Amino acid sequence: DTAVSQTPKYLVTQMGNDKSIKCEQNLGHDTMYWYKQDSKKFLKIMFSYNNKELIINETVPNRFSPKSPDKAHLNLHINSLELGDSAVYFCASSQEIVGQERGYTFGSGTRLTVV
Amino acid sequence: DQQVKQNSPSLSVQEGRISILNCDYTNSMFDYFLWYKKYPAEGPTFLISISSIKDKNEDGRFTVFLNKSAKHLSLHIVPSQPGDSAVYFCAARRSSNTGKLIFGQGTTLQVKP
Repeated sequence: DTAVSQTPKYLVTQMGNDKSIKCEQNLGHDTMYWYKQDSKKFLKIMFSYNNKELIINETVPNRFSPKSPDKAHLNLHINSLELGDSAVYFCASSQEIVGQERGYTFGSGTRLTVV
Repeated sequence: DQQVKQNSPSLSVQEGRISILNCDYTNSMFDYFLWYKKYPAEGPTFLISISSIKDKNEDGRFTVFLNKSAKHLSLHIVPSQPGDSAVYFCAARRSSNTGKLIFGQGTTLQVKP
């Protein structure tokens, strides 16, 4: 009965490959996000979609392309993987409710290792 | 340019004592602050939040204090329990900024039995 699920949990791949990480939420939230947790443990926003529309695109290389087929799904496709892409990627969702600030619901993360 | 900072990477306390986790921010436009808790191999989970119009919010054993003039907030856990051992992230946002949360780098709390 997972609220935000992302697959795969672990991904090991070679440099230059193309890979995708999938995310689905069953909370009925309007907004979904991708965050990257780097080696220094900072969680940094990459993208945000609201009802399938891109609303935040931080300074992320063009090799990263989010795709939102519907508001319950936000997938992350990465082309030409580089060693520096190794990190934990978290998907999250949220719903704005006035007076109820609960922030995001996160998935359990995908640990990407590029070798 | 890290706008939210948690300067203590780790904290160790004895069970039953108070844990105090600190967080500093630089952007005075932030108007909402949140704390998340993260266990290994799991995503962060929401713990407690505070609006900039308040200086304290309490939920059970967890209390968040906000000092806007110092741009500082803290999370107090009392009494601390071994199950509280986790990484705690501070986060902040501007209401006008489409929900984007800026996170600190986390503080690892260990509560010893």
